Amino acid sequence: AQKVTQAQTEISVVEKEDVTLDCVYETRDTTYYLFWYKQPPSGELVFLIRRNSFDEQNEISGRYSWNFQKSTSSFNFTITASQVVDSAVYFCALSEAGYSSASKIIFGSGTRLSIRP
Amino acid sequence: DAGITQSPRHKVTETGTPVTLRCHQTENHRYMYWYRQDPGHGLRLIHYSYGVKDTDKGEVSDGYSVSRSKTEDFLLTLESATSSQTSVYFCAISESSDADTQYFGPGTRLTVL
Repeated sequence: AQKVTQAQTEISVVEKEDVTLDCVYETRDTTYYLFWYKQPPSGELVFLIRRNSFDEQNEISGRYSWNFQKSTSSFNFTITASQVVDSAVYFCALSEAGYSSASKIIFGSGTRLSIRP
Repeated sequence: DAGITQSPRHKVTETGTPVTLRCHQTENHRYMYWYRQDPGHGLRLIHYSYGVKDTDKGEVSDGYSVSRSKTEDFLLTLESATSSQTSVYFCAISESSDADTQYFGPGTRLTVL
């Protein structure tokens, strides 16, 4: 069965610090997809990234970067030079490709990130 | 942003009453999903649809039913609401079945007294 663990329930850092959100997943499939979503205080869920299991290259998008390591089943998310606007709950998620007839994503329980000015 | 709306956005109801939540999309995506979000649980899938009149159960489907008579609308019904169904409900859509990205609606906050 698939599972996503976000062990960090809450993180608080001072603005401009770098912060890494951990995500560990379990799956028996060789083909799967990993996601990160952001949920700001306003409540909507914002898609950040999708990565397939065959692409282990790290991804950078502005201040955001993602480190995918199959050897440790981890897909960690780093925010460089954090800003107050980064304060949100961040969810890591896993989907096994070809599962039934729809992409059913399993979410971690989320990490609440607070950036203090 | 994906064109997904949910109605109502907030609802307070009493135990035992039926409740229907609506999800409407303008993206013509084939797949639609209903999730509930509760503290400490992330999001959990209730039901999903892979086409008009084609639906299936998710992880936490007990007490819920769904219907999809048009591509753009996916309804979630609580036949007899219970306090344990107090939650935030999110609708999502995706274009394909290849573990495609799901895009979420704004959510509906439901309180069952």
